[in-house]
Amino acid sequence: EPEVTQTPSHQVTQMGQEVILRCVPISNHLYFYWYRQILGQKVEFLVSFYNNEISEKSEIFDDQFSVERPDGSNFTLKIRSTKLEDSAMYFCASKLGLATNTGELFFGEGSRLTVL
Amino acid sequence: DAKTTQPNSMESNEEEPVHLPCNHSTISGTDYIHWYRQLPSQGPEYVIHGLTSNVNNRMASLAIAEDRKSSTLILHRATLRDAAVYYCILRGNTPLVFGKGTRLSVIA
Repeated sequence: EPEVTQTPSHQVTQMGQEVILRCVPISNHLYFYWYRQILGQKVEFLVSFYNNEISEKSEIFDDQFSVERPDGSNFTLKIRSTKLEDSAMYFCASKLGLATNTGELFFGEGSRLTVL
Repeated sequence: DAKTTQPNSMESNEEEPVHLPCNHSTISGTDYIHWYRQLPSQGPEYVIHGLTSNVNNRMASLAIAEDRKSSTLILHRATLRDAAVYYCILRGNTPLVFGKGTRLSVIA
């Protein structure tokens, strides 16, 4: 069964460092997402991406965050200067179709980011 | 997205049916009702979705009230692997927004 894969599974970084989290969405999917979950809290939407541009973003997704689809397979989340409060599990998701209110989102296993 | 209300936690015995309720009294006509679950240390996983009619798939059934102000996710025979947080989400033309969900414990 096709799946969304994420790397690394766990990254430890120092505050102020840049971090790139990588995702390989399911190959024929068109919509891509990043969510995050701080330990013990809700899963929070960060950003959605379609047709090589951001289609929607939350208040969390400030200027420190950026997303990119550098080639036909990878989808990356960059945090330019990490803060302690960026420590969380980051989930990538992808969706096949154009119907925004029905399509199933497929989530990856997550990348755990720990900022020291 | 419109707000949903779910119990914080529920408990079930293994191999018994589980009914997970969700209230969504402010649902709009174009909102679909989606259910996702999150197993421990994993990403969310799609379970089922519906608009007006009851829906069945290999994982679960979704029973939707006639006025659409509530719905129930039905797991026909709970297994230990079904222990997870279950999220009821109303979805219009926006990304999925997760609430706190219902934490389901399954007792062997």
